Amino acid sequence: AQKITQTQPGMFVQEKEAVTLDCTYDTSDQSYGLFWYKQPSSGEMIFLIYQGSYDEQNATEGRYSLNFQKARKSANLVISASQLGDSAMYFCAMREGRYSSASKIIFGSGTRLSIRP
Amino acid sequence: GAVVSQHPSRVICKSGTSVKIECRSLDFQATTMFWYRQFPKQSLMLMATSNEGSKATYEQGVEKDKFLINHASLTLSTLTVTSAHPEDSSFYICSASPRTSSADTQYFGPGTRLTVL
Repeated sequence: AQKITQTQPGMFVQEKEAVTLDCTYDTSDQSYGLFWYKQPSSGEMIFLIYQGSYDEQNATEGRYSLNFQKARKSANLVISASQLGDSAMYFCAMREGRYSSASKIIFGSGTRLSIRP
Repeated sequence: GAVVSQHPSRVICKSGTSVKIECRSLDFQATTMFWYRQFPKQSLMLMATSNEGSKATYEQGVEKDKFLINHASLTLSTLTVTSAHPEDSSFYICSASPRTSSADTQYFGPGTRLTVL
């Protein structure tokens, strides 16, 4: 069965510094997808970045990059030049198998990131 | 990007009443939608997969008679919490993926905060 582990319940980072949020996963599937979502206090889930298991390059989206280490089964999120608005809960998530609109996504326990001015 | 709405955003009800939550995909068709619940400071837990025109698939431990799901059209799924009790108070979030998308992510609704008195 698939499993997502986020070992950092909370992190404090100084504004403008880079931050890495850890995520490890466990799956027996060869094909899977990894996601990061941001959830501010309003509750909405904001999609940040996606990495497919067969993607050879690490995904990047603006200030977000995903450090994908397949052999270690890790998919850490790196936020460069953090901003006050980055303060939120961050969830790592995984989809097993090839993509379809019916694919389930399972979430990790989350990391609460707080940016200090 | 694709938009998913939920209604209501907040609901307070008395114990023993039933509450219906709607999830709509506004600009795409979704044969499959997903319902999650989230307790304070916890992760999203998948409750069920809602399938258009057929029965929902519930995750282990979720009472299907308690949480009724109907997916009557390609843009609407409803979750009815029957005979709600205080322990049902939670944040309920739906998500959906476009049928024809290759974006490989789910789009989340803004969530519904249910408080049962």
